Amino acid sequence: QSVLTQPPSVSAAPGQKVTISCSGSRSNIGNNYISWYQQVPGTAPKLLIYDNVKRPSGIPDRFSGSKSGTSATLGITGLQTGDEADYYCETWDINLNAVLFGGGTKLTVL
Amino acid sequence: QLQMEESGPGLVKPSETLSLTCTVSGGSISSSSYFWGWIRQPPGKGLEWVGTISYSGSTFYSPSLKSRLTISMDTSKRQFSLKLSSVTAADTAVYYCARSPAATTDTFDIWGPGTMVTVSS
Repeated sequence: QSVLTQPPSVSAAPGQKVTISCSGSRSNIGNNYISWYQQVPGTAPKLLIYDNVKRPSGIPDRFSGSKSGTSATLGITGLQTGDEADYYCETWDINLNAVLFGGGTKLTVL
Repeated sequence: QLQMEESGPGLVKPSETLSLTCTVSGGSISSSSYFWGWIRQPPGKGLEWVGTISYSGSTFYSPSLKSRLTISMDTSKRQFSLKLSSVTAADTAVYYCARSPAATTDTFDIWGPGTMVTVSS
């Protein structure tokens, strides 16, 4: 069971918007930046968001990140079938002295 | 364009040592701008951080693996390596190497394709 809690799955129709939550505590999300990754099955994860809200070069602005207190959210607008993947949140925990990943959320674009 | 690739045995016997190497091309691993990490993913499960090594050789290990884990680097070969001792079936996973910008410490911005390691007799 992950220290960072994500919903196992979310779904939405093409063109719609979806949000994926990541819940933690003061020792992790509450005190550190969060990153988000997209993983298409059978491939390596890809960085989508870092420092809570920043997008690496090449990541479209359909992807956005936010953080409030001990929770973070990944937003995806204008859903495309190619967005179907697993999404993971990630941060550092100052008590565990460890990098933590959320359990992952499977996005289905109906 | 920096690229990374994992290499090593795909099959390891229980109680033996798992050894993997990540080779970096298109950039230096001794740059003070980056750390270098290992992440694994058991079949059908989520991502698990294994450990990270800095450009200067300082290491940061997962608490759950620390007693069995060694990460090292060879800057002349542009490689960093993972050794995990006394493996069990629970160590069966796809192992990824990844780059971590020092400014972000724990964000992994470039990943290798991953290599599957099975622990079985």
